[in-house]
Amino acid sequence: SYELTQPPSASVSPGQTAKITCSGDTLAKKYAHWYQQKSGQAPILVIYEDNKRPSGIPERFSGSSSGTVATLTVTGAQVEDEADYHCRSTDSSGNIIFAGGTRLTVL
Amino acid sequence: QVQLVQSGAEVKEPGAAVKVSCKASGYTFTSYGISWVRQAPGQGLEWMGWISVDYGKTNYVRKFQGRVIMTTDTSTNTAYMELRNLTFDDTAVYYCVRFTSGDDYWGQGTLVTVSS
Repeated sequence: SYELTQPPSASVSPGQTAKITCSGDTLAKKYAHWYQQKSGQAPILVIYEDNKRPSGIPERFSGSSSGTVATLTVTGAQVEDEADYHCRSTDSSGNIIFAGGTRLTVL
Repeated sequence: QVQLVQSGAEVKEPGAAVKVSCKASGYTFTSYGISWVRQAPGQGLEWMGWISVDYGKTNYVRKFQGRVIMTTDTSTNTAYMELRNLTFDDTAVYYCVRFTSGDDYWGQGTLVTVSS
């Protein structure tokens, strides 16, 4: 079965750049989507189809994908960007799969 | 605007069943499928499966097959997820989700606590 892997945690100083990776064989053929989730809230889509940004999402959020690794980049991280970030993709049958999530600390 | 509003928190004993509802508004209910995603305390997101609202076709994750039933009622624009034979490991927030390219919509989540 296909699996996705993220580092459990990451940290960045305010104004610096944070990069969170998501790895898995399925990413070589399927898109990665990224969600931000703050405590007690439902996830919010911040990047879809590897590198597209939904309306209303700040430009400091960007995404890329190469081979079996997708990357979410937060350029000039703000304190309010502190949250859990989840990577989503699909397997060969179209089933949705999530990675375990990364807690981003901004301090 | 698109909204998915879920039913309230539930407390169930082990072995019982829970049924969570998800009322959709702001779009044509039959045009999109509904997925169910759960999140155990302190854990990541877990996709449970999907139902096509127009045909009622379902696709359940193997882990939940035999225990989960997803249904819809097009007369009330409501989706339901029933999980049977609950164990302590089923304690989680359950979300209904309309996954659309570039435009996901999530319910507010329903906390299901399994406790004796």
